[in-house]
Amino acid sequence: QKEVEQNSGPLSVPEGAIASLNCTYSDRGSQSFFWYRQYSGKSPELIMSIYSNGDKEDGRFTAQLNKASQYVSLLIRDSQPSDSATYLCAVDRGSTLGRLYFGRGTQLTVWP
Amino acid sequence: ETGVTQTPRHLVMGMTNKKSLKCEQHLGHNAMYWYKQSAKKPLELMFVYNFKEQTENNSVPSRFSPECPNSSHLFLHLHTLQPEDSALYLCASSQDVAGESTDTQYFGPGTRLTVL
Repeated sequence: QKEVEQNSGPLSVPEGAIASLNCTYSDRGSQSFFWYRQYSGKSPELIMSIYSNGDKEDGRFTAQLNKASQYVSLLIRDSQPSDSATYLCAVDRGSTLGRLYFGRGTQLTVWP
Repeated sequence: ETGVTQTPRHLVMGMTNKKSLKCEQHLGHNAMYWYKQSAKKPLELMFVYNFKEQTENNSVPSRFSPECPNSSHLFLHLHTLQPEDSALYLCASSQDVAGESTDTQYFGPGTRLTVL
């Protein structure tokens, strides 16, 4: 079983729509969860971090965490073409702080 | 521009060459990481250093040799690589606080390595 699973996509949404990205993880001890955005040929950059169950909002981005279901998601409201990128879900190893498992990433395309 | 820099940004080398990748972080962090990113694969953690001490070697072949002379600098020495080692090599840093949750890792721009 993969530690972190994401739908690889591609996910295609029109400009202005809500993009929903999902991630499941296997380590029940995980405590820290991150979403990174990676443009083609670039390095990952942090979008959101979330540590507690529930929702966390930052501008057009909302991260949702459900530890009981081992599920974390990222919603992007009012999607823009500049949001087109690969989104990586990262989850820490419950047994070792500071060590992250990464998913394969979901490729998002926002078309005008 | 991030607080983590990497050089060179691109590297082409033959299988018999020896080269080194350099990473420097300007964030005052105490932990540094090397990751490998190959096409269609998740980011793979290679090495971890906390306070200059190597705390993890994730079953990486010996043809990759890390060096961390201080908390701000990290090197990856390469020798007798294989074509399958061609990938994007990413350095990251974070501030690890013992007993707390995992802090954010900040990535450098990466070195695109091609082994011929």
